Amino acid sequence: AQKVTQAQTEISVVEKEDVTLDCVYETRDTTYYLFWYKQPPSGELVFLIRRNSFDEQNEISGRYSWNFQKSTSSFNFTITASQVVDSAVYFCALRNYGKGAQKLVFGQGTRLTINP
Amino acid sequence: DGGITQSPKYLFRKEGQNVTLSCEQNLNHDAMYWYRQDPGQGLRLIYYSQIVNDFQKGDIAEGYSVSREKKESFPLTVTSAQKNPTAFYLCASRGKSTGSTGELFFGEGSRLTVL
Repeated sequence: AQKVTQAQTEISVVEKEDVTLDCVYETRDTTYYLFWYKQPPSGELVFLIRRNSFDEQNEISGRYSWNFQKSTSSFNFTITASQVVDSAVYFCALRNYGKGAQKLVFGQGTRLTINP
Repeated sequence: DGGITQSPKYLFRKEGQNVTLSCEQNLNHDAMYWYRQDPGQGLRLIYYSQIVNDFQKGDIAEGYSVSREKKESFPLTVTSAQKNPTAFYLCASRGKSTGSTGELFFGEGSRLTVL
């Protein structure tokens, strides 16, 4: 069975601080995809990143970086020098690979508040 | 611009009434999905459709129904059999261009409140 756990329900930091959102996943498959989505107050989920299970290289995009470690089944997301606009709910998600794999399984989400 | 349009954004319903949420996409995507979001529970899959005239139940399909008569449209009906329908409903789609990577595009959601 697939499962995604985001243990941090809410995080609150002051602007310009670095913050890391944790994501731990469970799957029996050897090939899978991991995702992060951002949900601003408007409600729409915005895609941030996709990572393949066979590519453990960490990725950086501006102030955002992702640390994928298969050994610990984790896919953590770090925001450097946080800004108020980063305030949102962030979801980690997992999907298996293959034609029949249609389901994207989401974690519970982490509500991030950046205070000025 | 291409995207997914959900309507209405807010909806109030009396107990015992059916209600239909609209989802339209102009992305030419084959697959469409309905998710339900409750506080502290993330998103849970209700129904999905990979092609026109075909759809499958997700994890929490009881009390819901869907149709897929056109590629662009995937309406969700919340029936009176749904015991706790108050929630935020999100529609999503995925196209062949993304292969099997599973990247979904989401609408802005519909918030249903049962009075």
